[in-house]
Amino acid sequence: NAGVTQTPKFQVLKTGQSMTLQCAQDMNHNSMYWYRQDPGMGLRLIYYSASEGTTDKGEVPNGYNVSRLNKREFSLRLESAAPSQTSVYFCASSAVRQVEAFFGQGTRLTVV
Amino acid sequence: AQSVTQPDIHITVSEGASLELRCNYSYGATPYLFWYVQSPGQGLQLLLKYFSGDTLVQGIKGFEAEFKRSQSSFNLRKPSVHWSDAAEYFCAVGGDTGGFKTIFGAGTRLFVKA
Repeated sequence: NAGVTQTPKFQVLKTGQSMTLQCAQDMNHNSMYWYRQDPGMGLRLIYYSASEGTTDKGEVPNGYNVSRLNKREFSLRLESAAPSQTSVYFCASSAVRQVEAFFGQGTRLTVV
Repeated sequence: AQSVTQPDIHITVSEGASLELRCNYSYGATPYLFWYVQSPGQGLQLLLKYFSGDTLVQGIKGFEAEFKRSQSSFNLRKPSVHWSDAAEYFCAVGGDTGGFKTIFGAGTRLFVKA
């Protein structure tokens, strides 16, 4: 019953450092997503992967890169972290597009 | 362009009272509509969804929502709120237009007082 698993749960970075957020799902879903959540702004889509081997930009892709490693795993990379990237990041997956998404528990990232 | 508006940033209701959370959307085609709930420190959990058919949909935890096309609304209701319902609620809209960009509202935080 793991669903969508994100690691790490918390992270503090210094400006300019890089890191990768990991996400894995065990529901055999085709589509995976990365969102960021900021107060008063809901969730904004960073990148998504419609299926294994494809990735596309969402609403706020600047400063991020993604890799769909296989059907289960979808990672988000910050190459040079900035304070504006302080946020809570959620990974999600769905069987097909636009239907019910299942969310991980989130990664709280602080960039100082 | 797609958009979702949740007019109330926060709402406070007494335990046992009824609840209605508002959601208005803008979408150029037949929308898929969702309500998610987020408890503190948790991810989002789907409460209910509307794709087509009966405009009154039932969800988990005693919630329901009504799709009103003429008003571009999808309001969430519950007849009697429990203290455990205190959380943040997100309305979202998507659709089978070839895109993947489900749009989320900014959320409404629900406080429940004893």
